Amino acid sequence: EVQLVESGGDLVQPGGSLRLSCAASGFTFSTTSMNWVRQAPGKGLEWVSFITSSTNTIYYADSVKGRFTISRDNAKNSLYLQMNSLRDEDTAVYYCARGGIYDSGGLPLDWGQGTLVTVSS
Amino acid sequence: EIVLTQSPGTLSLSPGERATLSCRASQSITSRYLAWFQQKPGQAPRLLIYGASSRATGIPDRFSGSGSGTDFTLTISRLEPEDFAVYYCQQYGSSPPWTFGQGTKVENK
Repeated sequence: EVQLVESGGDLVQPGGSLRLSCAASGFTFSTTSMNWVRQAPGKGLEWVSFITSSTNTIYYADSVKGRFTISRDNAKNSLYLQMNSLRDEDTAVYYCARGGIYDSGGLPLDWGQGTLVTVSS
Repeated sequence: EIVLTQSPGTLSLSPGERATLSCRASQSITSRYLAWFQQKPGQAPRLLIYGASSRATGIPDRFSGSGSGTDFTLTISRLEPEDFAVYYCQQYGSSPPWTFGQGTKVENK
């Protein structure tokens, strides 16, 4: 059974930083592309970032480019999202999601339960 | 960026009725890379349909997807009580950003 468990969400002031983690199990993490998707309170879904299994391809949404950094540790079956220069509009539940194969890496096949990031003074 | 517009915003139906949800793209979606997700309150989204018409593992056959190009449809043939939720479409074509529609809420009339 695929399991994705996010952690690291917290209350942080505008301009602050936070690092989210996602622990993966139940599939071969080292050969699977991964995504972060977020959802602001009461709003829809927004794709945030993507990373291939070997980290040779990384994409970001324009809204986070230059501020967020996605990374992974295949030895630890873990995905990360380093979030810097946080803004009020980054307040959301952040989901870790397993990507599809081949050219369907942006398809979130399985989702974690999410971790809440609140940016507020 | 491909913009996805879902309609209607809210669908009020009764159990046993048929639900038809629409997702229209601002430009043609490559190779039918269109997916549908279901989200219930307090839960993560769940993949229902990928490739416009393929059901994900474990999804009941009352859920079906169709369409190509810029117009796609999710049909729930007979609504069960557990189907009342918000539904999102997503395009995951070759070039990011991979965008979602704004969602359609299916509510119990």
